[in-house]
Formats: sequence, C-alpha cells, structure tokens
Amino acid sequence: DIQMTQSPSSLSASVGDRVTITCRASQGIHNYLVWYQQKPGKVPNLLIYAASTLRSGVPSRFSGSGSGPEFTLTIASLQPEDVATYYCQHYHSAPPTFGQGTKVEIK
Amino acid sequence: DVQLLESGGGLVQPGGSLRLSCEASGFTFSNYAMSWVRQTPGKGLEWVSSILDDGRFNYGADSVKGRFAISRDNSKNTLYLQMSSLRAEDTAVYYCAKRAVIGLADYFDSWGQGTLVTVSS
Repeated sequence: DIQMTQSPSSLSASVGDRVTITCRASQGIHNYLVWYQQKPGKVPNLLIYAASTLRSGVPSRFSGSGSGPEFTLTIASLQPEDVATYYCQHYHSAPPTFGQGTKVEIK
Repeated sequence: DVQLLESGGGLVQPGGSLRLSCEASGFTFSNYAMSWVRQTPGKGLEWVSSILDDGRFNYGADSVKGRFAISRDNSKNTLYLQMSSLRAEDTAVYYCAKRAVIGLADYFDSWGQGTLVTVSS
C-alpha cells in the first residue's frame, strides 16, 4: 500500500497568514492526489483534485501543487472559517489511502 | 443536491454481524461507483471498500477482506455493507461516499453523515 505522510500534524496561525501543509507519498503517484477539509463535527469536503485543480465553489485562497511524491496545500490568507482538519488522499491505485490529517487552528 | 443517508449502525458484540445501508438521491446512482470509508479518532480516515457502478466488481481493504461485503441495488438506489466477524478495531464512524467522477478514480465528492458502529462486549 502507498503510505501518505502529512506534516505538520497540527498548526496554529493568525488570521491572514499564509498556511502550507505538506503531503508525501511513499511512492510515485503522478498527480493522483486530492485534499479534503473536515470542519469540526462535519463530514469531509473535497477541496482539490488532480493535485492542483480547485473544485467548483471552493474559495480561491486554497491552492494545491506538486507531483509525486511531494504535494502541498496552501491557504493564501487564513480565515476563521478555515479552522478544520485537512487530509490528503491518493487515488493512484487500490487501496486509496489518506494522510493522517493536519489540524489547523487560529492563534 | 446529492444526498446519502446511512443507517444500520449500532452496538454489536465482538464476532457479531451488522448490515449498513446507504440510500442515495439527487444523482443517477447507477452511473457511479460507490464506497465505504470509516473514521476513528486514532486511525483517521480509512477506505473500506468500493463497488463499481453496475455492481459486477468490488474490492476492499485487506483489513476487512473475508469479513465485509459491499453490494448495491441500483433499483433501490441503495448501497450496503454487510459486516461479520466484527472486531473491536472495526469501531468507527462509517461513511457512504460517492465517487467524484464516472471512471476509475477513487476519490469522493459527496459523503453521508456517517453511522457509528461500536464493537464491544
């Protein structure tokens, strides 16, 4: 199985800060990577697919980049509503696996 | 709007069985592969099993092979997960998830609200 490793596991930043989360795959996955946002008490919400394509309706302050094995999710200007846990997931091959999550809080 | 409504979770003893259901609406169910994904505080999100649109092919995680069976009834717009030989480590919130695209890419654009399965004596 392909292992997905996220860093950091948590972070605290101020409103307006630029935030970057990293996800590393244990082997090459081309650009077969998505990012989800899970707000407290809610279900995961797809933000980005194909490593860098923003899902329709997702604010433009979110962006994704990279290609196997290292990827990043960037929030250009952190907003209070971005408090959530963010997960990466590859879909290169079965089984699709998730990173362990990065919890983002407001300082 | 896509809606996925899970049911069937609950408390079950180790070694017991449970069947989860997921009723789908708001999209053409028979056009999309569907999956079950579970979440625990300790292990995060874990893909469990997927089934293709016509139900003729399915696959699952090694951790549930031989114990869990995914199925679907396209006439009822319903996805199922039959779980047997349940273990404490199967305790989780189980989500029904819709594949985002028609095709082979296993990522998900819609999730149900989840149903809690607790395996404990």
